Amino acid sequence: AQTVTQSQPEMSVQEAETVTLSCTYDTSESDYYLFWYKQPPSRQMILVIRQEAYKQQNATENRFSVNFQKAAKSFSLKISDSQLGDAAMYFCAYQGGSEKLVFGKGTKLTVNP
Amino acid sequence: GAGVSQSPSNKVTEKGKDVELRCDPISGHTALYWYRQSLGQGLEFLIYFQGNSAPDKSGLPSDRFSAERTGGSVSTLTIQRTQQEDSAVYLCASSPGGTGKGYEQYFGPGTRLTVT
Repeated sequence: AQTVTQSQPEMSVQEAETVTLSCTYDTSESDYYLFWYKQPPSRQMILVIRQEAYKQQNATENRFSVNFQKAAKSFSLKISDSQLGDAAMYFCAYQGGSEKLVFGKGTKLTVNP
Repeated sequence: GAGVSQSPSNKVTEKGKDVELRCDPISGHTALYWYRQSLGQGLEFLIYFQGNSAPDKSGLPSDRFSAERTGGSVSTLTIQRTQQEDSAVYLCASSPGGTGKGYEQYFGPGTRLTVT
C-alpha cells in the first residue's frame, strides 16, 4: 500500500520569508500524481499545486513551487514571500492506480507578522 | 459557480443512533469521494463513486457504514448504530474525472460528527 509521510508536524515562518514543507512517499507504481492541499481553519481543503510523476519539470503556481525528486520519492513544497493568509494545515497527497487520495498527516504552518 | 456543499455542517448524536450525511457535488462532476478526518487517524479515504456505482468501497471501516449516490449527483453517507470512535469530520469531494487520474478533487466544508 502507498504511504505518505510528512515529518514536520509544525513549521513557522516570518511574513515575506520562504519556507519549505517536506513530504516523502512510498510506492511501487510508476504512474501517479502528487498534490499539496491547504486546509485553513474553515476546514475547506484547497488545492495548492499538482505534479504528474512522468513530468521532470517541477510544478509552480505563483509563490508556490515544488521540488519533485522521483528517485528519492520526495515532494517538498516551497512557499515564497509568505503571507499571513498562508497560515493553515498543509497536506501532501498521492494518487496512483486508484482514484483515491492518500494523505500525509499534515504540517501546521504558522506565519508570524 | 457553486462548490461542493455538505449538510449538516455539525451533527451531535447519541451513541447507538443512526445518522445521514449529505453531499451535493459540483454540477457535472462524475466522480465523488468521501473521506474522514480525525485527530488520531488523519485523513482517510472511505468510498469512491463513479456515476451511481461505487467501484471502490475499500475504506469503509465497518458494515455500519454505507453510502449511496442517486442520479449521478447527491450522495448520502449513512452510519448506523453510531459509536464514539465515529466522531470525526466527514469530507466529501468531487471531480470531473472519469477513468482518468490526476484530476483535482474539490472538497466541501465537511460535516463535524460528534457522538456522545
